[in-house]
This record gives sequence, structure tokens and C-alpha cells, in this order.
Amino acid sequence: GAGVSQSPSNKVTEKGKDVELRCDPISGHTALYWYRQSLGQGLEFLIYFQGNSAPDKSGLPSDRFSAERTGGSVSTLTIQRTQQEDSAVYLCASSLRTVTQETQYFGPGTRLLVL
Amino acid sequence: EDQVTQSPEALRLQEGESSSLNCSYTVSGLRGLFWYRQDPGKGPEFLFTLYSAGEEKEKERLKATLTKKESFLHITAPKPEDSATYLCAVVSGYALNFGKGTSLLVTP
Repeated sequence: GAGVSQSPSNKVTEKGKDVELRCDPISGHTALYWYRQSLGQGLEFLIYFQGNSAPDKSGLPSDRFSAERTGGSVSTLTIQRTQQEDSAVYLCASSLRTVTQETQYFGPGTRLLVL
Repeated sequence: EDQVTQSPEALRLQEGESSSLNCSYTVSGLRGLFWYRQDPGKGPEFLFTLYSAGEEKEKERLKATLTKKESFLHITAPKPEDSATYLCAVVSGYALNFGKGTSLLVTP
């Protein structure tokens, strides 16, 4: 079946603007993750959703970042009042479940550039 | 705090020259160690999961091994198409804790 898809693939915005990044997980996957990959840095965990449970937001770097997941499927990551340090690749991953640590499958990412 | 360290940061090999990539980890109770491959401009692609010391997995020219402190990704007779960044990660909480990766370049 189809893999994880993300849109847009690239986003250029001006400092101070809000941006929304979208993730469509693999059909049937109940767990969804957002990560950030900055130049020269490893992948940094941002937020995790599991089914209808409250999300784990422990990785969000500031209150400018938020995410939601509608109907247990599509997720949107929103960054308000973007700053230049928000420039990075934002990666979404999904897995069938988390109890047994199932494999996370990644999307192609959204490359965000804040000018 | 869980930590993952990969070495070397970059590796250049000639086609056919076998080598190994290292992933050292510190975690309280390993619940899984993952290897991914990432090509430029793309998301990480899953390669292997290892759960216990002594476990080994193979796929084409790649073989992953696991001890109580580290994992190795052995590349046998690499080809130019094996050029990529190889990422190691351990399960940490609900997510994966990644190392910074090893950038591998295989020249003809």
C-alpha cells in the first residue's frame, strides 16, 4: 500500500508567519510521530499520537509549536510566528502500534526555510 | 538519559572495500535498536531492528549485529548505490532516539 505522505514537500516563509505541515500516515497505523531534522543534527522527537489518547508533547521546543490529529488519521503540525531557527526538515512517521515497539515508517519530509 | 553515538561521522570506501559502522548506545533497558538508511532529500528508510545481544540480521550486502553496548552495521563489498547516511536509533519512551548518522560514500 501507500507509504507515509507529507505536504508540502518544500515551504519557504517569512519570519513571523504561521505555517501548517500535513502528514498522512499509512492506513491502519494507529501511532503517528513528528520529528525535526536540522542541518548537522540528528532527528529530534517532537510529538507522538496513539489512537484517541492524549498526545505526548514532551518534545515540542516551544509553545509556538502545536499539532493535532483528526479522526485518528491525518495530522497537522503548526508552527506559529516562525523563527529562522525553525528552518529544518520536518519528518512524520507512523507505526502499527507502540506496545511492542513496531517499526516506524517515515515520510519524505517537509523542508521548511524561514527567511 | 538515553544516548546514541555513531562513528565515524563520514566514511569513504572504494567499491568492494568492506567496512563497519558503529553505533554505541546508553539506555536503561533496551527495547529495540533500529538501523535506517537515508538518501539525500528523502526520509529514513527502515533496514533492521535488533532486540537482544547476540542478535544478527542480514539484507543483501548489509549485516547488523548487537552487543550490550553497541551495534555494528557491516557492509560487505559495497557498491556506489550503497552511498547514503546510515542512522541508528534506540527506543526511548514512545519515540526513537537517533544518533547523528554516518555518511557513507562508495566510489567506483
